Amino acid sequence: KQEVTQIPAALSVPEGENLVLNCSFTDSAIYNLQWFRQDPGKGLTSLLLIQSSQREQTSGRLNASLDKSSGRSTLYIAASQPGDSATYLCASANTGNQFYFGTGTSLTVIP
Amino acid sequence: NAGVTQTPKFQVLKTGQSMTLQCAQDMNHEYMSWYRQDPGMGLRLIHYSVGAGITDQGEVPNGYNVSRSTTEDFPLRLLSAAPSQTSVYFCASSYILSGTQYFGPGTRLLVL
Repeated sequence: KQEVTQIPAALSVPEGENLVLNCSFTDSAIYNLQWFRQDPGKGLTSLLLIQSSQREQTSGRLNASLDKSSGRSTLYIAASQPGDSATYLCASANTGNQFYFGTGTSLTVIP
Repeated sequence: NAGVTQTPKFQVLKTGQSMTLQCAQDMNHEYMSWYRQDPGMGLRLIHYSVGAGITDQGEVPNGYNVSRSTTEDFPLRLLSAAPSQTSVYFCASSYILSGTQYFGPGTRLLVL
């Protein structure tokens, strides 16, 4: 069974800082790795999807990387803003048609 | 497109009652799934479907039933509610397993 871990559980940074969120997984036989954002009391919004054959994906100030051999993915947020405050979750799609989620990193960007 | 819709938004049940959580998507996605989200546990997969007429169990299927008679709808049935089923339930869909997942807004369920 895939185990997905996200460290740290919570992070607080001043506005404008660049930051990295970490995601690690135990089973490298993944189809893809997806990063989501969840605002309090809301559903999940997909941010970036990295297929197993890819190394990274970029969208605006966000960049996600994938290293299957080491079982790691990172989400890089450039020039953080208070509107980036949310919980960020990563999830792997594995064989057997199943998705496995980490418990998330709660990000607070202080104005 | 409405995307993924879920009803109801909030529900209170008594132990032993049954209910159905509704999920619908209008994106013609083949893959649909149900998750529950509990504090400190992350999202856990309950059941999933890879197409109409095909369903399978996820990580935590006990106490829940699903069916998929159409591509659009994927209801989740609680047979006999228990306090341990108090949670937030999310439905999600994607065109294929390896595609972007789209989530509904969630249903908050409280079982007394």
